[in-house]
Amino acid sequence: SQTIHQWPATLVQPVGSPLSLECTVEGTSNPNLYWYRQAAGRGLQLLFYSVGIGQISSEVPQNLSASRPQDRQFILSSKKLLLSDSGFYLCAWSLRNYEQYFGPGTRLTVT
Amino acid sequence: QQPVQSPQAVILREGEDAVINCSSSKALYSVHWYRQKHGEAPVFLMILLKGGEQKGHDKISASFNEKKQQSSLYLTASQLSYSGTYFCGTAYNQGGKLIFGQGTELSVKP
Repeated sequence: SQTIHQWPATLVQPVGSPLSLECTVEGTSNPNLYWYRQAAGRGLQLLFYSVGIGQISSEVPQNLSASRPQDRQFILSSKKLLLSDSGFYLCAWSLRNYEQYFGPGTRLTVT
Repeated sequence: QQPVQSPQAVILREGEDAVINCSSSKALYSVHWYRQKHGEAPVFLMILLKGGEQKGHDKISASFNEKKQQSSLYLTASQLSYSGTYFCGTAYNQGGKLIFGQGTELSVKP
């Protein structure tokens, strides 16, 4: 069966510090991968999605970037965090464009 | 364009029914429904493809009206475990990404 992992689960970072969040999927090959951000009490905002290694589509221009160095690994990064980057970051996978399955999420607080 | 969900929030007593709507201003290829409990990740409920589908899953079912560009999620005989925020995600073509609605918060009271 397929599983999706995200780490860390929680993170507190000062403004201006770098960020690296990792997501890995097990039990499937060539999945579509997605990064979402959810502000407190709000909906899901798609940040990036990838249909293959090295193929990244950005949905929201900002100080975040994503990379997919391996088939089942998706990384979200920032060189300098802003206060507005705080939120619940969710990674998801799907096969082709069918239903998406979400990881447990990373709760990021920028102070 | 973000789909519009209604109502924004609903409070039910255990055993009551609820309907959550998801409307789009563009023609839809598919509609996905998810439930998210507080502090947790969204969980997939069901997907409906264009063609006027209706699906059921225990006491939770959904319909998709392609002409009206609208989907509805039906929760019957609600249970305490149904509490959470329900999101619809819409795709406008087969290769399209999902755009999620703003969510409907459902609270089921004993």
